[in-house]
Amino acid sequence: GENVEQHPSTLSVQEGDSAVIKCTYSDSASNYFPWYKQELGKRPQLIIDIRSNVGEKKDQRIAVTLNKTAKHFSLHITETQPEDSAVYFCAAWKGVFGTGTRLLVSP
Amino acid sequence: GAVVSQHPSWVICKSGTSVKIECRSLDFQATTMFWYRQFPKQSLMLMATSNEGSKATYEQGVEKDKFLINHASLTLSTLTVTSAHPEDSSFYICSARHRVASTYNSPLHFGNGTRLTVT
Repeated sequence: GENVEQHPSTLSVQEGDSAVIKCTYSDSASNYFPWYKQELGKRPQLIIDIRSNVGEKKDQRIAVTLNKTAKHFSLHITETQPEDSAVYFCAAWKGVFGTGTRLLVSP
Repeated sequence: GAVVSQHPSWVICKSGTSVKIECRSLDFQATTMFWYRQFPKQSLMLMATSNEGSKATYEQGVEKDKFLINHASLTLSTLTVTSAHPEDSSFYICSARHRVASTYNSPLHFGNGTRLTVT
């Protein structure tokens, strides 16, 4: 089945810095790559997604890049804020999630 | 739109009993629903994919006779943990994909999760 690896497992940054989280996937047929944010005790929320017909998508401070040849995609958060602190998950198209990245943004 | 309701939000049961968790898509029809288990500070582990009108597809290592899944309608899937034991204590969360999305290239909408404690 699909295998999704995510790095790093934890990431600490100062407010205003950028944060990058990377994922690799195994199923070359995958064509949809979402990112979810999960705050403590709450459900995961979609923050951005990308389909395989584009290489990059941006939404304000958040961007996702996709390299289908290398089978990896990345989440980029610029000008981080304390409220960005949460666990972020990437996912492959058939519902398999990455291991998660705990992002801590210090004021 | 795209609201998924999961019930109950928490449940405590005695060892050996069975517990049923419901996952409903309130404002859309979901051909496919997913069931996850999440341990503290860990990722969402996909347990099974629930397909309306057919048998669920279980991930490797998940006991289908212990975790019974029924997806009898386009808006409801249930997960029953049978003969629960303390090691089954966990956070269970469902998600649904809109029926219109005939392939996998659309987002999942999550329920609020169910915290199960087996004593």
